[in-house]
Amino acid sequence: NAGVTQTPKFQVLKTGQSMTLQCAQDMNHNSMYWYRQDPGMGLRLIYYSASEGTTDKGEVPNGYNVSRLNKREFSLRLESAAPSQTSVYFCATFTVPEAFFGQGTRLTVV
Amino acid sequence: ELKVEQNPLFLSMQEGKNYTIYCNYSTTSDRLYWYRQDPGKSLESLFVLLSNGAVKQEGRLMASLDTKARLSTLHITAAVHDLSATYFCAAGGGGSQGNLIFGKGTKLSVKP
Repeated sequence: NAGVTQTPKFQVLKTGQSMTLQCAQDMNHNSMYWYRQDPGMGLRLIYYSASEGTTDKGEVPNGYNVSRLNKREFSLRLESAAPSQTSVYFCATFTVPEAFFGQGTRLTVV
Repeated sequence: ELKVEQNPLFLSMQEGKNYTIYCNYSTTSDRLYWYRQDPGKSLESLFVLLSNGAVKQEGRLMASLDTKARLSTLHITAAVHDLSATYFCAAGGGGSQGNLIFGKGTKLSVKP
């Protein structure tokens, strides 16, 4: 039972490159979330999907797009990476009242 | 707009001492969470507090919630080195149940 699995774990991008962060869960939860964590900060919500087929913006959505591919998978895409998107990205699922976090993807944009 | 403030942001303690981390939130929230994060790791859930007056304890950590004061505390009793980590509180925001608003975290260092 893996829980929430993120790939890749580490990534270095050049400014302007694109990439997709993958998240898959085997917990059968309806809602999934993408957060980012910057140094000295708590997590901030980028996008979420309350259920399959729906997505909504969180606090910091600019520069990102998401796809809820099916109930298990929720991907985060950076179309044109910028140094300001250097961060650690966490995917999470939620079932009342608990959140379950993946191990994180450490992204550096140079 | 819900905001969450933690203090202190840095805490250096000696083993065996007691201390409290404070978490204030600005508007009504029906849930308050405490997480632990070790360097380079994900978040580990410590406590979920759902009602006024809720108190939960696990080992040397005890969390409480006062919804009227919009305040939660994480009390550390007789600190040990293994408790060194960053501790985050988060309050349930709007829009979705999993929309959590996090504080900036308290970096705890326990020294012998």
